[in-house]
Amino acid sequence: QVQLQESGPGLVKPSQTLSLTCTVSGGSISSGGYYWSWIRQHPGKGLEWIGYIYYSGSTYYNPSLKSRVTISVDTSKNQFSLKLSSVTAADTAVYYCARMELSMIVIWGQGTMVTVSS
Amino acid sequence: QSVLTQPPSASGTPGQRVTISCSGSSSNIGSNTVNWYQQLPGTAPKLLIYSNNQRPSGVPDRFSGSKSGTSASLAISGLQSEDEADYYCAAWDDSLGVVFGGGTKLTVL
Repeated sequence: QVQLQESGPGLVKPSQTLSLTCTVSGGSISSGGYYWSWIRQHPGKGLEWIGYIYYSGSTYYNPSLKSRVTISVDTSKNQFSLKLSSVTAADTAVYYCARMELSMIVIWGQGTMVTVSS
Repeated sequence: QSVLTQPPSASGTPGQRVTISCSGSSSNIGSNTVNWYQQLPGTAPKLLIYSNNQRPSGVPDRFSGSKSGTSASLAISGLQSEDEADYYCAAWDDSLGVVFGGGTKLTVL
């Protein structure tokens, strides 16, 4: 059974880069047909899709975040990562990593809270 | 402002049937399938309905989905207290990627 686990700092200073890693267990990130995604949820608000990466390295980002987002994959470690640059308080959210199949998000990590504050 | 539009709240009594609507446009619901997610308090969302009306293994048949044109709906029959949660519709948008509705908070009275 595939499981995903987010890790990274829970506190990031304004203007810095938020960096999170998702470790995939119970399956290979190199399995075709899956898109490894990041989604966030602002406190008390709805869901916002950030983007995805395929194991080959191809990416697709939310246009509203595209200028600040980089998603990368490390198949040797069975991990994929999110970098969000120039963060502000508006980037404070719970960040989820997930596995997408076609357009559906089938497997979610438990989520990690990231607060942007000095 | 979410790309897909859902009512912010819905409610019903145990045993009732409730429906939650989701409105989009030709670039998302009108041309792609709709998925629904259930988020229980303090937990990650869970896939509830995929491809408009399909239930993943383990989801009770009390939950059903439908789509017509640029709108979709989720129906829950035989409402139970454990159905109290936030529900989100989502679809692929041809320009924006995955788009979500703003979520509907379901209260079981």
